[in-house]
Amino acid sequence: EVQLVESGGGLVQPGGSLRLSCAGSAFTFSDHYMDWVRQAPGKGLEWVGRTRNKVNSYTTEYAASVKGRFSISRDDSKNSLYLQMNSLKIEDTAVYYCVRAVGGNYFDYWGQGTQVTVSS
Amino acid sequence: DIQLTQSPSFLSASVGDRVTITCRASQGISSSLAWFQQKPGKAPKLLIYAASTLQTGVPSRFSGSGSGTEFTLTISSLQPEDFATYYCQQVTSYPLTFGGGTQVEIK
Repeated sequence: EVQLVESGGGLVQPGGSLRLSCAGSAFTFSDHYMDWVRQAPGKGLEWVGRTRNKVNSYTTEYAASVKGRFSISRDDSKNSLYLQMNSLKIEDTAVYYCVRAVGGNYFDYWGQGTQVTVSS
Repeated sequence: DIQLTQSPSFLSASVGDRVTITCRASQGISSSLAWFQQKPGKAPKLLIYAASTLQTGVPSRFSGSGSGTEFTLTISSLQPEDFATYYCQQVTSYPLTFGGGTQVEIK
């Protein structure tokens, strides 16, 4: 069964950095675009960004709210996705989900999420 | 950016009711729309993609329709396990965006 398991969340001060990881299993990780989606407490879903696959040169896309501060990368040899978050703001507090995208960009599998709290 | 407006934002219904949720896009998105169900403390679950295609394993009481700017998610006969929050999402252009959500609660 396809699994996505996030790790690396925690409490960080404003201005700090954090790196999230996502380990995929039971599917050909390298074939897929992979995304990050977040959800602030009591709020809706917000797309954070995407990394395309090797065929598409691992290019990335980001939401305006995180562009220049967050960076998405992947290591297909480890079936892993990463989210490097710098210059964190209080409004970045959220549960962060790792998501697999399939044909037409649809999000068919989600991780369980990892909590990131930005607070002094 | 493409804005998605869901209505209603809150819905109270009984088991067995037919429920319809609407998602309106600020510009045409063809059929590039998905619907998700999310229960408290859980990750969202894909229900419908390409506006009307049922994801594998999703009960047939769920259906989606629409194209362009107006879309609907219909639950033909609401079941106890369907009480949740539902989101639409467009995948036609960046940034990918979600609707604000519709919370379906028990009457």
